[in-house]
Formats: sequence, structure tokens, C-alpha cells
Amino acid sequence: GDSVTQTEGLVTLTEGLPVMLNCTYQSTYSPFLFWYVQHLNEAPKLLLKSFTDNKRPEHQGFHATLHKSSSSFHLQKSSAQLSDSALYYCALRATGGNNKLTFGQGTVLSVIP
Amino acid sequence: DPKIIQKPKYLVAVTGSEKILICEQYLGHNAMYWYRQSAKKPLEFMFSYSYQKLMDNQTASSRFQPQSSKKNHLDLQITALKPDDSATYFCASSQDWGVSYEQYFGPGTRLTVL
Repeated sequence: GDSVTQTEGLVTLTEGLPVMLNCTYQSTYSPFLFWYVQHLNEAPKLLLKSFTDNKRPEHQGFHATLHKSSSSFHLQKSSAQLSDSALYYCALRATGGNNKLTFGQGTVLSVIP
Repeated sequence: DPKIIQKPKYLVAVTGSEKILICEQYLGHNAMYWYRQSAKKPLEFMFSYSYQKLMDNQTASSRFQPQSSKKNHLDLQITALKPDDSATYFCASSQDWGVSYEQYFGPGTRLTVL
């Protein structure tokens, strides 16, 4: 079956430092990969998505490159901002599957002054 | 204006009772979904519908029954509630059925079962 593994638990960073949240996946079919961000008491919102190998989508300063050879889709940002503090989910949808989103366990990013 | 409406925002129920969670989307989408997020588990897929037809059910229990009276409605009936059902339930929708279509999430209903 499909699965997603993320950096575990809580990541605490000082404002201005680079962000890297890891995501690796397993899927029988060639999947779409997504990063969702969920701020406290809000709905998850799509941050990035990718299907193409080695392509690097960017949004709000975040980027992630899908590497099919290593089954990875790590989320990066060059400089963390206080407003980046949130729960981040990596997720996949398999092209040969049932269209459901399979989420990783989530990583809480806490950016401190 | 919110495009996906979930009602109620908060819900408290007693063990053994039955509740209905309401979801309406005004995005003109043809596919709708239910996900659950609990303290113990990440976001977890429950159901998917396309043009009011059930496409997939990943819940192990028949106590969870989706109901689609209109194309833009997908309610979730939960019977014989248990404390383990306590979670935030998110409704989502996408333009159409297919993996390339982005899924948009509603604000959620936080259910607490005592």
C-alpha cells in the first residue's frame, strides 16, 4: 500500500534560518506528491504539488523537488519566518489508485524569534 | 465567503448517540471527500464521492455512513458513537475525479464523544 514518512514531531527553528522538512514515500504507482500546511484551528491548505521528476515547484518561498529515484519530496525554505509556524503534511495520491490522499504523520514547525 | 461550509464547528455527544456532520461546497466541484484527524493519527481518508456516487470507503466500521442528497452536499452520519470517534472531521472537494485535481478542505467539525 501507499505510505508517507515525514520528519518526526516538532522542529524548532530560529527566525531567518533555513527550513528543511523531510518526506519520503512508498507507492505502487507513480504518485502525485503534495505538501499541505495547517495553521492552528484552520483547515489544511495546499502549499505545493508535483508529479514531474526533478521539477521544483515553489510557493510562498517554499520549494520541494520530487526525486523519484530516492522517493523523496523534501520541503525547503531559505529563511524561516514567524508566520511559517504550523503543522506541515506531506501527502501522495497514486495515479493507479483510488484518488485518496495518503498523509504522513505531520511535522510541527515552530519558528522562534 | 467560505466556499466549503461544515456544520457544526464543535459538537459534543454522549457515547452511544448518533450525530450528523454537515458539509456543503459552493465551488462547483463534482467530487467530495471526508477525512478524519485525531490526536493519535494524522489526517486519514474516510470516503470519496464523485457525482454523488460512492467511489471509495476506507472506514472499517459501518457506523460511518456518508449521505449525498445533492451534488454539493456530503453529510456524514455517525451512529453508536464511541469516545475513540473523537476527532476533527474534514470535508474536502475537488473539481473532478482524478489525481491531478487539487482537493480543498473545509474548516472541520471537532467532535468530542464523552
